[in-house]
Amino acid sequence: AQSVTQLGSHVSVSEGALVLLRCNYSSSVPPYLFWYVQYPNQGLQLLLKYTSAATLVKGINGFEAEFKKSETSFHLTKPSAHMSDAAEYFCAVSPGTYKYIFGTGTRLKVLA
Amino acid sequence: DGGITQSPKYLFRKEGQNVTLSCEQNLNHDAMYWYRQDPGQGLRLIYYSQIVNDFQKGDIAEGYSVSREKKESFPLTVTSAQKNPTAFYLCASSTQGSPAYNEQFFGPGTRLTVL
Repeated sequence: AQSVTQLGSHVSVSEGALVLLRCNYSSSVPPYLFWYVQYPNQGLQLLLKYTSAATLVKGINGFEAEFKKSETSFHLTKPSAHMSDAAEYFCAVSPGTYKYIFGTGTRLKVLA
Repeated sequence: DGGITQSPKYLFRKEGQNVTLSCEQNLNHDAMYWYRQDPGQGLRLIYYSQIVNDFQKGDIAEGYSVSREKKESFPLTVTSAQKNPTAFYLCASSTQGSPAYNEQFFGPGTRLTVL
């Protein structure tokens, strides 16, 4: 069965500091992996996705993620945090069907 | 502009009432989904539909019902059998085919509160 674990339900960083949000997955088949962002009281917006074309995936708003099969990880990073990055971030895995399995989310707080 | 609309944005329900949440998309997507979001629990799939007049239960379908009479519309009814319906409900849609391309697009959500 597929699953996703997001380490840290809350992460705080200073403005300008590195953002690192952790995601580990479990999948019996080559996974498709996604990161979504959710601003308060809004729907989810796709940041980036891994579809086996390249292990380092670049997304919108300066975010990127690296697929590491040996570590079963797909951590999200951004070199320099901005106040507008404050939101909740969800990692999701698709085992190749229409169904997505979402992690429990990480709320990012950016300190001035 | 193409997208997904959900209405209403906020909905209040008395105990014992059924309520229906609307979801409409003009993206020409075949597949549509309903998720429930609770704090600290991420998104859980309620129902999904891959084609008109067909739908399948997700992980937490009890107390909910759906219909898919039109490609553009996928309404969700929260029945009185749902014991704890207070939550944020999200509708999504995607194309069929490879998951590499069937990114799910989300609506803005409906917040349901039981009084």
